Amino acid sequence: SQQGEEDPQALSIQEGENATMNCSYKTSINNLQWYRQNSGRGLVHLILIRSNEREKHSGRLRVTLDTSKKSSSLLITASRAADTASYFCATDANNAGNMLTFGGGTRLMVKP
Amino acid sequence: NAGVTQTPKFQVLKTGQSMTLQCAQDMNHEYMSWYRQDPGMGLRLIHYSVGAGITDQGEVPNGYNVSRSTTEDFPLRLLSAAPSQTSVYFCASRSTGGSQPQHFGDGTRLSIL
Repeated sequence: SQQGEEDPQALSIQEGENATMNCSYKTSINNLQWYRQNSGRGLVHLILIRSNEREKHSGRLRVTLDTSKKSSSLLITASRAADTASYFCATDANNAGNMLTFGGGTRLMVKP
Repeated sequence: NAGVTQTPKFQVLKTGQSMTLQCAQDMNHEYMSWYRQDPGMGLRLIHYSVGAGITDQGEVPNGYNVSRSTTEDFPLRLLSAAPSQTSVYFCASRSTGGSQPQHFGDGTRLSIL
């Protein structure tokens, strides 16, 4: 079963607009991570937020974490056509080996 | 810096055949794992390893075997391929310690006829 559920499943925006993706999870976590996957490629790590953090920034990315609601959001500001990809949240729930549990992803299309 | 390397990139098998998907990393990571990704879905954990000689099952281990004889390599074996194993397989590695990101290979696209 998947720990994370992403919303929306698909998002289409114009270049320059902001894109917001949400992730909900079920159990307590050590940290939550966001990954990006371009078509036909592997996943690339974007940003990690620990359970005791509420917000984190990296370039045009802003991630928030609300552990009371078991949810996170990823905001991409001033989107570019090159941001077109699938975005996945993944939780580290302090299980054996600290293996990640992934959500189903949000497919983002940024139109030029 | 190669990172995580998976071979082959594509493979077509017949039902009942066996094969090994190769995964190698050059980052001296202790933790390695195999995931499968089905259309429109996220990744599901098949098997993982926290060091040479140590492996354990993930969420969907049936029909797959792994071994970890070296830190660098973590092959995934399909014992008797079934159409339900048609998927894209990703290998990942990460270093020990808390809150470390995973590094992924580019995947092996496997079709079982």
